[in-house]
Amino acid sequence: QVQLGQSGAEVKKPGASVKVSCKASGYTFIGHYIHWVRQAPGQGLEHMGWFNPNTGGTVSAQRFQGRLTLTTDRSTTMAYMELNRLTSDDTALYFCARQGGNGNYALDYWGQGTLVTVSS
Amino acid sequence: DTQLTQSPSFLSASVGDRVTITCRASQGINTYLAWYQQKPGQAPKLLIYAASTLQIGVPSRFSGSGSGTEFTLTISSLQPEDFATYYCQQLNAYPTWTFGQGTKVEIK
Repeated sequence: QVQLGQSGAEVKKPGASVKVSCKASGYTFIGHYIHWVRQAPGQGLEHMGWFNPNTGGTVSAQRFQGRLTLTTDRSTTMAYMELNRLTSDDTALYFCARQGGNGNYALDYWGQGTLVTVSS
Repeated sequence: DTQLTQSPSFLSASVGDRVTITCRASQGINTYLAWYQQKPGQAPKLLIYAASTLQIGVPSRFSGSGSGTEFTLTISSLQPEDFATYYCQQLNAYPTWTFGQGTKVEIK
């Protein structure tokens, strides 16, 4: 069965970087884009960007451009989200999600989320 | 960016009620819209994609409709497990596949 397993919670200081990993299993990794979505405490969902494991193509939301790096490792079916120059506003639950296929362009499977806390 | 506005932001309903949530897009997005359900402490769950197609395994009391700029999610008979927050998401305009702000459905 399709599963996305994320790395554990992180605590970072302002100005630091964080790298969250997402292990995909149960499907053909290169056949589906991986998206990243975050949710600040008590707030709604925010789409950050996506990565195409087949071509290496990637797009990031404008507000993260220059700070966000999305990558994958096809050999280990891992996806990574690295966010630099962290501030307290980056404190959130970060999710990876798989984009569906065969006409379903929505996010059909999600990781369990990784809490990133930015605090001095 | 394409903005999505959900209404209402909050609704109080009883088990068995018919519930409708609206999502309006700031520009036309054809039928590139999805609906998700999120319960506290959990990841979102896909309910509907392509505006009206039910995801496999989702109960048939959930339905979606609309195209262009106006969309609805309907729960025909609210069940206890349906009390959650619902989000729409547009899948049309890059770079950001924006979400609506969410609609929290609580027990009356």
